[in-house]
Amino acid sequence: EAGVAQSPRYKIIEKRQSVAFWCNPISGHATLYWYQQILGQGPKLLIQFQNNGVVDDSQLPKDRFSAERLKGVDSTLKIQPAKLEDSAVYLCASTSQIRETQYFGPGTRLLVL
Amino acid sequence: QKEVEQNSGPLSVPEGAIASLNCTYSDRGSQSFFWYRQYSGKSPELIMFIYSNGDKEDGRFTAQLNKASQYVSLLIRDSQPSDSATYLCAVNPDDKIIFGKGTRLHILP
Repeated sequence: EAGVAQSPRYKIIEKRQSVAFWCNPISGHATLYWYQQILGQGPKLLIQFQNNGVVDDSQLPKDRFSAERLKGVDSTLKIQPAKLEDSAVYLCASTSQIRETQYFGPGTRLLVL
Repeated sequence: QKEVEQNSGPLSVPEGAIASLNCTYSDRGSQSFFWYRQYSGKSPELIMFIYSNGDKEDGRFTAQLNKASQYVSLLIRDSQPSDSATYLCAVNPDDKIIFGKGTRLHILP
């Protein structure tokens, strides 16, 4: 069974630029999560999708971050414009049902200069 | 604010000894509890989950849950250098998963 795929693996941008990340969850997993993990901290949930609907986006900075999962499969997370404090690893995870085990992708390391 | 608290460490344990990692949570409605291991530069990977009060054992790992005290722990027996990592506690209230900041574990050869 293929795992959660993410791309790109690394991205370096300057502040005020925009960036997009892509995630393809495990086949058949209805729930998809985007997390931000700053160095030395635990993952912080940004947004949770159930199929193509948003379950929770209470911690998503909506003035600059957006996410979509149009067909209920893969998802994109966008930051526009980026700030220095957005430097982090962005993790995508999926589960087959809410409350079950999350499987994480390899993450995208973002550095904003 | 629903919180998950962990001691950040580092926790240093001699090889072969028992490592004990602790976690407390604020939401009494939490029903699912997870321990993830995260190596430096890698993504979290699930070690164990526990739903019921008491102990759950899997190989060298034992998860312990005490809902009355809002406390969950992870014991690692016969610690190996490969166990050196950050251990994240995660709690599942209201269909969300909240992670603690993690405890860095260092196994001393």
